[in-house]
Parts: sequence; structure tokens; C-alpha cells
Amino acid sequence: DGGITQSPKYLFRKEGQNVTLSCEQNLNHDAMYWYRQDPGQGLRLIYYSQIVNDFQKGDIAEGYSVSREKKESFPLTVTSAQKNPTAFYLCASSMTGGGTGSYEQYFGPGTRLTVT
Amino acid sequence: GIQVEQSPPDLILQEGANSTLRCNFSDSVNNLQWFHQNPWGQLINLFYIPSGTKQNGRLSATTVATERYSLLYISSSQTTDSGVYFCAVVAGRRALTFGSGTRLQVQP
Repeated sequence: DGGITQSPKYLFRKEGQNVTLSCEQNLNHDAMYWYRQDPGQGLRLIYYSQIVNDFQKGDIAEGYSVSREKKESFPLTVTSAQKNPTAFYLCASSMTGGGTGSYEQYFGPGTRLTVT
Repeated sequence: GIQVEQSPPDLILQEGANSTLRCNFSDSVNNLQWFHQNPWGQLINLFYIPSGTKQNGRLSATTVATERYSLLYISSSQTTDSGVYFCAVVAGRRALTFGSGTRLQVQP
């Protein structure tokens, strides 16, 4: 089945530790995205990548890092510099096109990260 | 950046009732999507609708891009429609900007 997978579903870490969240897609999409959701709020953009080996900061990139070495994979590392890392993290992907065109985004099931 | 406002923030319906959710945005958009977030957090795509009208079963959506708003209609609501409905837009950069959502509760 084609889709987006995120692992693990739940993740618990101690304060001061870096943690990496996995996102894999087999939709042959060029673009991938990471969003963060806090309770009762909408999603906010952390990082996005339109093509392999290239990515851009979103609205809340501080304390996070990403890599895009393969088209299918876009892992997110939550570093110890992120002051409030406990949240729900969602990964998405979409096709890309030239000009100002924009394509439908599809989301994975998310990872709930708790840092104590 | 672009601002996305959704109303109402909360909505309680009796099963079988109809409802309209609104999304206002502050600038021209290249993409507009409606999502339903289920109790497990999964975002389910409802509509990709930068302009015009679409229908899918009991749900329909209309986007009037020139007036910068979109409407999501839910007819004959069911308890399974409960959850949070998000509007999200693409303007400029190729990533979504989300509204704060409408929390819908359908009572039997």
C-alpha cells in the first residue's frame, strides 16, 4: 500500500537528550514536510524539503534539524536546544511542480513525543 | 505571513443536523485544503479546493478565492463526524499554513 509511515507512534525521552523521528513515504513524492501540533492548536511548520539534499526552515525551526539524503525519507531530530519539545509531530508529503503550482499534501499518522 | 481564521471554534450538534464551517484567509492562495482530525490524531484529507465547489457524499466545500474565504458544509451529521476540522492554505512558500480548527461534537 502507498502511504506515509512515521515511527515510533509514542516516544519518551529525558530532558537533554536528542531524539530522531522517522518519516518514510512510498508515494514517489518529491516534497516532504514536518509540522508540530500542541494541544488544542493547529499545526505549525518546522521544516520542509522540495528535493533531495535541500530543505528550508519553517516558522518554528529553532531546536530542530533535518536531513534529506533519500527521496523517500525525511527524518527530524529534536535537539536538546528545543525548549519545549513535548508535542505531536506530523510528517507530510506532496508532489511538486514548476511555477507557483501547489499540490495536495498527505499526512502520516504522527509521533507523540513526551520529554520529562 | 498569511493569516487563517476558522469559525466557529466549537460546535455542538444533534445527530442529523446540518452545519457550516468557515475559513477566512488574508491573502491570495495557491492551495486550500480541508482536513478532519480524528480522535487518534490522524489528519484525513477531505477536500483540495483552491477555488470552486466540490462534493463528497454528505460533505461539500466551496472556496471563493476572490473574497478570500472557504466554507465546509456537513449535512445529516453523524457521531463519527466528531473531531476537529482544519482549513489550511498555501501562499508563497510551498507548505501549509493552518487555522486553529473547529472542534465539532455530534451528539446522538
